Amino acid sequence: ILNVEQSPQSLHVQEGDSTNFTCSFPSSNFYALHWYRWETAKSPEALFVMTLNGDEKKKGRISATLNTKEGYSYLYIKGSQPEDSATYLCAFTNDYKLSFGAGTTVTVRA
Amino acid sequence: NAGVTQTPKFQVLKTGQSMTLQCAQDMNHNSMYWYRQDPGMGLRLIYYSASEGTTDKGEVPNGYNVSRLNKREFSLRLESAAPSQTSVYFCAGAADNEKLFFGSGTQLSVL
Repeated sequence: ILNVEQSPQSLHVQEGDSTNFTCSFPSSNFYALHWYRWETAKSPEALFVMTLNGDEKKKGRISATLNTKEGYSYLYIKGSQPEDSATYLCAFTNDYKLSFGAGTTVTVRA
Repeated sequence: NAGVTQTPKFQVLKTGQSMTLQCAQDMNHNSMYWYRQDPGMGLRLIYYSASEGTTDKGEVPNGYNVSRLNKREFSLRLESAAPSQTSVYFCAGAADNEKLFFGSGTQLSVL
C-alpha cells in the first residue's frame, strides 16, 4: 500500500479568495503524481500528471507544484469561484499501480 | 467515442449472490483499473491490469476476481457478495502511466 496523505480533509473558501492544499507521498521510487477533480454525482477528471521534481502545471485558475525529493505537492486555486467546489484527489504511482489519497473537499461560499 | 463504459449503474444483491461488473473502453488504453469508493476513504485500488493478459492485486483485492478478456474489456467479479462490499465501484483506463479516464460508476448494495 502506498501511503498518500492529503490535508486538510475539507476547507471552506469565500468566493474570490485563493487557497491551497497539500498532498504528501513516498519520496522513494517516484514515477508520477496525479491530481483529479471530483464533482458530486460525477466521475473524477484529471487535472494534472506531474513527473519531474520542481514541475509546475497550470490550468486556468488552478495550478500545482511538485517536490519529489521531500514527497509533497501543492494544489492552488486562485480567485475561487462556486464552480470550483469539488473534492480534489491526488494519486501517486511508482509503477502502474496508482494509489489515491482521501481527498480535500473544497466548498466555495458566494 | 464512448470512452470508458461501465455496466450496470446500480445493483442490489443479497449476501452470498455473485455478479460481474463489466467495463469496456474504446480509447486503446493498455492499463485498466478497478477502484471502490467508500465515505472518508477516497478511492481504493482493487485490481489493475497493466496490459492485455496481465492482472495484479491492488490494496483491497480480497473477495474479488478480475478478467482482462481483451484490450478493451476488464471485468470485476464478486463470487459471494458480502455487506462489506457495498460501495461505489469505478473502472478506469489509461495509456501507459498517463492520466486515468473513469467510467460513470456502479452503485452496489449488498443486503
